[in-house]
Amino acid sequence: QAVVTQEPSLTVSPGGTITLTCGSSTGAVTSGHYPHWFQQKPGQAPRTLIYDTSNKHSWTPARFSGSLLGGKAALTLLGAQPEDEAEYYCLLSYSGARPVFGGGTKLTVL
Amino acid sequence: EVQLLESGGGLVQPGGSLRLSCAASGFTFSTYAMTWVRQAPGKGLEWASAISDSGDNTYYADSVKGRFTISRDNSKNTLYLQMNGLRAEDTAVYYCARESRYYWGQGTLVTVSS
Repeated sequence: QAVVTQEPSLTVSPGGTITLTCGSSTGAVTSGHYPHWFQQKPGQAPRTLIYDTSNKHSWTPARFSGSLLGGKAALTLLGAQPEDEAEYYCLLSYSGARPVFGGGTKLTVL
Repeated sequence: EVQLLESGGGLVQPGGSLRLSCAASGFTFSTYAMTWVRQAPGKGLEWASAISDSGDNTYYADSVKGRFTISRDNSKNTLYLQMNGLRAEDTAVYYCARESRYYWGQGTLVTVSS
């Protein structure tokens, strides 16, 4: 089974910009992995911010965007807000194999 | 509005069984694949099982294969997860999700303990 890698923790200043990444042990992440990004706050269910690399839900704040960057999936936050402090997970799909979640990135806004 | 409501969680002894349900509304349930994702206390998300829109195809993580059975009743807009041979390591919040665009339910807690 593939291993999906995320930064364990990151810190961003309020109003700052940060990029979270999601890599695969099998090689470069492509749109064919249909990367998804989820935000989870303590005691809450996950909610989907980005699906299929870069598509947003109606509730996704405009300051979040998804892309492919340097062989990885990326979630960029432009203008961090205190309410963005949360755990972020990515999910990659693999043809002929089971989908795999990354281990999560704990984002601190400080 | 897409809504997913899980139920059926609770406390069960090791080796016991439990059936989770997920009631769906706000979309044409029979046209979407569905998934169960679980999260052990203080841990990350783990994909557990999925089922095609028709129910003809099912998929399982190695950790639950042979013990869990996913199914659906499209006439009732409901997804199920039958869990047998439960172990302490199955203790988790279980979420159902619609695969397309990944809509999530609120989850139901399963605790396996004597």
